[in-house]
Amino acid sequence: DAKTTQPPSMDCAEGRAANLPCNHSTISGNEYVYWYRQIHSQGPQYIIHGLKNNETNEMASLIITEDRKSSTLILPHATLRDTAVYYCIVRVYDDMRFGAGTRLTVKP
Amino acid sequence: DTAVSQTPKYLVTQMGNDKSIKCEQNLGHDTMYWYKQDSKKFLKIMFSYNNKELIINETVPNRFSPKSPDKAHLNLHINSLELGDSAVYFCASSQDSGTPGEQFFGPGTRLTVL
Repeated sequence: DAKTTQPPSMDCAEGRAANLPCNHSTISGNEYVYWYRQIHSQGPQYIIHGLKNNETNEMASLIITEDRKSSTLILPHATLRDTAVYYCIVRVYDDMRFGAGTRLTVKP
Repeated sequence: DTAVSQTPKYLVTQMGNDKSIKCEQNLGHDTMYWYKQDSKKFLKIMFSYNNKELIINETVPNRFSPKSPDKAHLNLHINSLELGDSAVYFCASSQDSGTPGEQFFGPGTRLTVL
């Protein structure tokens, strides 16, 4: 019962930007957009989050549309180690619900 | 200096047994969680504890019980194990700051019930 929709899989060439889309058309005003990734069978790893404004950190950039109904995670220079399942989550407080995510495969 | 650690990493047991999975975090966080990831790879939250209080309890069978001896530990006890309990269980922690905080996850415990 995740509140987001993501493509099941995407490919990206090594060194190129990976743009992962996420739809969250029912997002509420106080819900944040979070991105996590899970590499193989490891524990999920936090990437970035935002509320209204675009955000950037050392790992990625998060672009949120003005109406907040969708967002895009950008990995500027994808490497083979970025191959993982990427989860887009909308949450308030601690109620974090994972969907199926997008399996990103970075190819040489 | 692992932030969130779990033991054991693998657990193989027979149906009907009782088992525990331990979780420890050295981040000084206020809140700890347990998640279950089934064979279809869906991650679902089971419990969270904040200052020794259960604040989220999803529709989890009462055979599962979280126990927190102190703020740094949240152990998961499972009674009368069933085949359907086979999954990877992840522990996580976060700092309660009034807004959603980053959750740090442990490496997971793969439970196999035979």
